[in-house]
Amino acid sequence: QKEVEQNSGPLSVPEGAIASLNCTYSDRGSQSFFWYRQYSGKSPELIMFIYSNGDKEDGRFTAQLNKASQYVSLLIRDSQPSDSATYLCAVDTGRRALTFGSGTRLQVQP
Amino acid sequence: GAGVSQSPSNKVTEKGKDVELRCDPISGHTALYWYRQSLGQGLEFLIYFQGNSAPDKSGLPSDRFSAERTGGSVSTLTIQRTQQEDSAVYLCASSLGTSLNEQFFGPGTRLTVL
Repeated sequence: QKEVEQNSGPLSVPEGAIASLNCTYSDRGSQSFFWYRQYSGKSPELIMFIYSNGDKEDGRFTAQLNKASQYVSLLIRDSQPSDSATYLCAVDTGRRALTFGSGTRLQVQP
Repeated sequence: GAGVSQSPSNKVTEKGKDVELRCDPISGHTALYWYRQSLGQGLEFLIYFQGNSAPDKSGLPSDRFSAERTGGSVSTLTIQRTQQEDSAVYLCASSLGTSLNEQFFGPGTRLTVL
């Protein structure tokens, strides 16, 4: 079992819809969780991080964390074609660096 | 500098050759990370430097890989006797202190081993 699992996609949503990206992790001791966006051929950029159970909202983005279920998600409201990218879930398991999932490719159809 | 810089942006080499990849972190950032990203995969941690402390080399895949960081700033990742499976994008990131939420990535070096 991978430490951080994501569906590779592609996840295809129409413009204006809500995109829901999911991630599960195996280490119950994980403390913090990160969502990075990576455009094709570019480096990852941080969108959001979350530490506590529940929801955290930032503009059109909402991160949701459920530590009991070892599940973290990212919702993108009013999806735009410019949101089309690969979204990487990353987990701080207490080691020196983040553990990344393989990413979910999102396609927003105009 | 304005951001993390890496050089070269692309490197094509022949199997068995040695390569050096360079990372220049954001000025003042004490932590520096090297990751590897193979095609269609997530990021694989390689090595971590924090200030003058001994580096965390736990992610290096073999003894052909080594890295150093001179003067607490620029870092060089060296791959000796390259193999085709070393082909990947090598990403460097830096952060202020150990706060992982402040980690900023460079543009990466795409390594192709023929």
